[in-house]
Amino acid sequence: GAGVSQSPSNKVTEKGKDVELRCDPISGHTALYWYRQSLGQGLEFLIYFQGNSAPDKSGLPSDRFSAERTGGSVSTLTIQRTQQEDSAVYLCASSLDGRAGNEQFFGPGTRLTVL
Amino acid sequence: KQEVTQIPAALSVPEGENLVLNCSFTDSAIYNLQWFRQDPGKGLTSLLLIQSSQREQTSGRLNASLDKSSGRSTLYIAASQPGDSATYLCGKGGGSEKLVFGKGTKLTVNP
Repeated sequence: GAGVSQSPSNKVTEKGKDVELRCDPISGHTALYWYRQSLGQGLEFLIYFQGNSAPDKSGLPSDRFSAERTGGSVSTLTIQRTQQEDSAVYLCASSLDGRAGNEQFFGPGTRLTVL
Repeated sequence: KQEVTQIPAALSVPEGENLVLNCSFTDSAIYNLQWFRQDPGKGLTSLLLIQSSQREQTSGRLNASLDKSSGRSTLYIAASQPGDSATYLCGKGGGSEKLVFGKGTKLTVNP
């Protein structure tokens, strides 16, 4: 079956602009995660959605970052007023039901470059 | 704060060699340990998942072990091939749903 998909694969934007990144999880997976991978920082957790529960936003670096998940499936990560330090690869993952111990499957990522 | 460390940061070996990649963690609370490979410009591919109740998992030439008492996991790659060249990442599940990652080991297998 299809894996996790993300779009766009690459995004170049100017400082101060807003961007939206999209993630489509594996069909039937109720848990969805966003991570960020930047040089020198490794992979960092951003936000987690599980079904209809309130999302875990504990990893979001600032209030410029937000995410939503519509209909329990597709998720959009929005970065407002982008800064150069937001440049990174944004990775989305999904798992069957989000229980601790479930295998996470990752998408190909969106490479964001803020000029 | 949970920390996950991977040593070495980079490793270069000749084809055919057996090798071990290391992952250590400071917080003993662990639900699972997941090993991934990442090719340049790509996402993460899941290789092996070890639950906290398990000691090891095997898939083909790969074997991953988990020692909770010492806070370590190892990924053993047998008879390495040039196609194994990639960055290997370990992610620790510590009870919350997120994974905490090490910074990876970049492996180069020379033909």
